Amino acid sequence: NAGVTQTPKFRILKIGQSMTLQCAQDMNHNYMYWYRQDPGMGLKLIYYSVGAGITDKGEVPNGYNVSRSTTEDFPLRLELAAPSQTSVYFCASSTPRAGAYNEQFFGPGTRLTVL
Amino acid sequence: GESVGLHLPTLSVQEGDNSIINCAYSNSASDYFIWYKQESGKGPQFIIDIRSNMDKRQGQRVTVLLNKTVKHLSLQIAATQPGDSAVYFCAENSNYNQGGKLIFGQGTELSVKP
Repeated sequence: NAGVTQTPKFRILKIGQSMTLQCAQDMNHNYMYWYRQDPGMGLKLIYYSVGAGITDKGEVPNGYNVSRSTTEDFPLRLELAAPSQTSVYFCASSTPRAGAYNEQFFGPGTRLTVL
Repeated sequence: GESVGLHLPTLSVQEGDNSIINCAYSNSASDYFIWYKQESGKGPQFIIDIRSNMDKRQGQRVTVLLNKTVKHLSLQIAATQPGDSAVYFCAENSNYNQGGKLIFGQGTELSVKP
């Protein structure tokens, strides 16, 4: 299994541009998540999904959109890039386990710079 | 509001010594508390979790302690090795059957001196 994969690894955007960060998992996990990590900080949840066709906001959803048309893919869309969105973006996935923590598996991240 | 925070941003230890990383949390309703390790340029990697009804849990070279009275969580690493050098995050997890969202703390950077 490849686990959680993310593309691109790096990207530089100009203010006002748009882009889609791709995330895919091959573990047949129901739950998927998008986090951002600013320098020296912990991760903050942007959006999450508990299954295809179902998405919900996390702590910091403003400026982002998501969709979940398949179990495998969970793209994150930035419509009008702003310098405040300069960050490292991590995608994660998990599957519910009765009576246990459903461990989240993380991708390698996408480093985004908005100039 | 809910928050998970760390007491120390950096920790330097000698190889072979034991390491203790601390974390404070504020949400008593969290179901699980988790420790993640993040190496430079990589995504977080799960280390160990503890359920809110437990006080202690042991893994391979790691032990997590949960003190609900003072809302404190700690990660103990025995015989610290150079490969343990990384940033360690505590996180809390609630509603695990409704998506299992994680709230992360700031992180502690562990540096192991050979």
